[in-house]
Amino acid sequence: QVQLQESGPGLVKPSETLSLSCSVSDDSFSYNYWSWIRQPPGKGLEWIAYISYNGITKYNPSLKSRVTMSVDTSKSQFSLKLSSVTAADTAVYYCARTIVGLTLNRAEYYYMADWGKGTTVTVSS
Amino acid sequence: DIQMTQSPSTLSASVGDRVTITCRASQSISNWLAWYQQKPGKAPKLLIYKASSLENGVPSRFSGSVSGTEFTLTISSLQPDDFATYYCQQEYAFGQGTKLEIK
Repeated sequence: QVQLQESGPGLVKPSETLSLSCSVSDDSFSYNYWSWIRQPPGKGLEWIAYISYNGITKYNPSLKSRVTMSVDTSKSQFSLKLSSVTAADTAVYYCARTIVGLTLNRAEYYYMADWGKGTTVTVSS
Repeated sequence: DIQMTQSPSTLSASVGDRVTITCRASQSISNWLAWYQQKPGKAPKLLIYKASSLENGVPSRFSGSVSGTEFTLTISSLQPDDFATYYCQQEYAFGQGTKLEIK
């Protein structure tokens, strides 16, 4: 089973950019898709975005204007940047291996098969 | 804009009980819905995908079904390890979660 490890600053100031990375343990990086999901304290899950090994991206419409994902296949890593953060962006951020496909009528589906342990990010001055 | 409405938000049950959690989609996209289990302080774990396909290693007491835009997660006989929070997900939308508590 693939291992994922999130890393990045635990504290970010309001209006700044949150930057996180996720390292993937084994040879599964290629030919896979990778997501970020977050969970504010005491609340539910929110899918943020995914990226494929070759750079295809999809973003949550509610966050699209502030989110950028990138991939570094040489390091088996992918990254998240979330700009103009506020206290509402305080959350545990998870990275996950994501299964993406098309239904028979060409609708896209995706779900998260393997998850990292998560990293806590607090937005505060 | 897809929305997943999950019910109930809290469910109290006993070991051995059969429980059902429901998730309704605001629009019918496909049958590709996933269910996750999350325990306090831990990452979610995939239980079911494509509405009714059991992920490898997940006990057979978990099952999923779909009727129209209504998706159901059933646990046939609750075990102590099953008390957790459950989420459904379709595309970018998660349900708000169902906390399964010991009665």
